[in-house]
Amino acid sequence: NAGVTQTPKFQVLKTGQSMTLQCAQDMNHNSMYWYRQDPGMGLRLIYYSASEGTTDKGEVPNGYNVSRLNKREFSLRLESAAPSQTSVYFCASKGQKGSNEQFFGPGTRLTVL
Amino acid sequence: RKEVEQDPGPFNVPEGATVAFNCTYSNSASQSFFWYRQDCRKEPKLLMSVYSSGNEDGRFTAQLNRASQYISLLIRDSKLSDSATYLCVVNRDTGRRALTFGSGTRLQVQP
Repeated sequence: NAGVTQTPKFQVLKTGQSMTLQCAQDMNHNSMYWYRQDPGMGLRLIYYSASEGTTDKGEVPNGYNVSRLNKREFSLRLESAAPSQTSVYFCASKGQKGSNEQFFGPGTRLTVL
Repeated sequence: RKEVEQDPGPFNVPEGATVAFNCTYSNSASQSFFWYRQDCRKEPKLLMSVYSSGNEDGRFTAQLNRASQYISLLIRDSKLSDSATYLCVVNRDTGRRALTFGSGTRLQVQP
């Protein structure tokens, strides 16, 4: 099992460009999450999906959109990138109710110039 | 005020030392508590859950004080491989909502 995978690992964008971060998990988990991590801020939730077909905003959703394509895949889209979106983005998934452990992907390091 | 607060460190300790990290959380409705470990430029991974009665996993002991809204992690006999950032994490409810992370405490164990 690969666990949670993310692509790309690194990306540099210019202000105003768009891109989609991909995330997939092979653990048959229902819940999936997108976080961003900035120095001194901890991880902050952008969006989450409790199950296939549902998505909800987290703490910092502005400037982002998500798609829960199927049970395995949860993508994050930046429509018009801004320097404030320079960050490390982590995707995570969580198993069945009763288990609070979240499994994280390796992250995408994004720089917006 | 941040919902989960931690001393950022770094804590520089020699091998074999005992080190303790503290964390406070502001939301009294928080229900579940965890310590995650994050190595440099890697993803966070669950170290241990924290139970009301306190719990131990090898050299690691976690304690929770709900009245003071305080969580601690004690590492005994520190190893070089313990060098990492330790994230204090709380879950406000058992539903869909995600975890709330502290900004982490960095530990550097020195030979």
